[in-house]
Amino acid sequence: GENVEQHPSTLSVQEGDSAVIKCTYSDSASNYFPWYKQELGKRPQLIIDIRSNVGEKKDQRIAVTLNKTAKHFSLHITETQPEDSAVYFCAASKLGGNKLVFGAGTILRVKS
Amino acid sequence: DGGITQSPKYLFRKEGQNVTLSCEQNLNHDAMYWYRQDPGQGLRLIYYSQIVNDFQKGDIAEGYSVSREKKESFPLTVTSAQKNPTAFYLCASGHLPGSYNEQFFGPGTRLTVL
Repeated sequence: GENVEQHPSTLSVQEGDSAVIKCTYSDSASNYFPWYKQELGKRPQLIIDIRSNVGEKKDQRIAVTLNKTAKHFSLHITETQPEDSAVYFCAASKLGGNKLVFGAGTILRVKS
Repeated sequence: DGGITQSPKYLFRKEGQNVTLSCEQNLNHDAMYWYRQDPGQGLRLIYYSQIVNDFQKGDIAEGYSVSREKKESFPLTVTSAQKNPTAFYLCASGHLPGSYNEQFFGPGTRLTVL
């Protein structure tokens, strides 16, 4: 089955700097890759996703890139702000598949 | 944040007791999921259901049971057979698998075994 690895487990950046979180997946048939943000004590919420027919997707300060050949995808947050501090999870699945496989999560701390 | 609710928010259980966690959604989603969240281990799938009266085991189903008698409801029972049940439990729902696989999460239930 699918296995998703996520790095780093913790990441501290200075406010205004960029943050990058990387994930690798094992199943070459996976073609849907969402990213979820979970603030302390709250539920995970989808912040961006990408499908395998594109290599990059942007939404304001957030972008995701996908390298299908290497089977890895990354979350990029630019101009980080204190409210970006949270746990971020990547996931992978097949479109038409019935479940997501999640990475272990990255704790992002933005220091002001 | 509305649409999918879980209760209770906190639950305490004595060893040897079964407990049932509630999950309700009014999003008209066909699929519902239960995850367990432990520190440093991400979200692990316990059970999922794509249609009423049908459900499948996830990766860590041992010691858990579910039912899906109504489209809106997917309760999870943590049985005494679950050796380490203290965790944060998240319910999620989504459309049937297709071109859009987003899952929407409930606020979670924190279960503590005393």
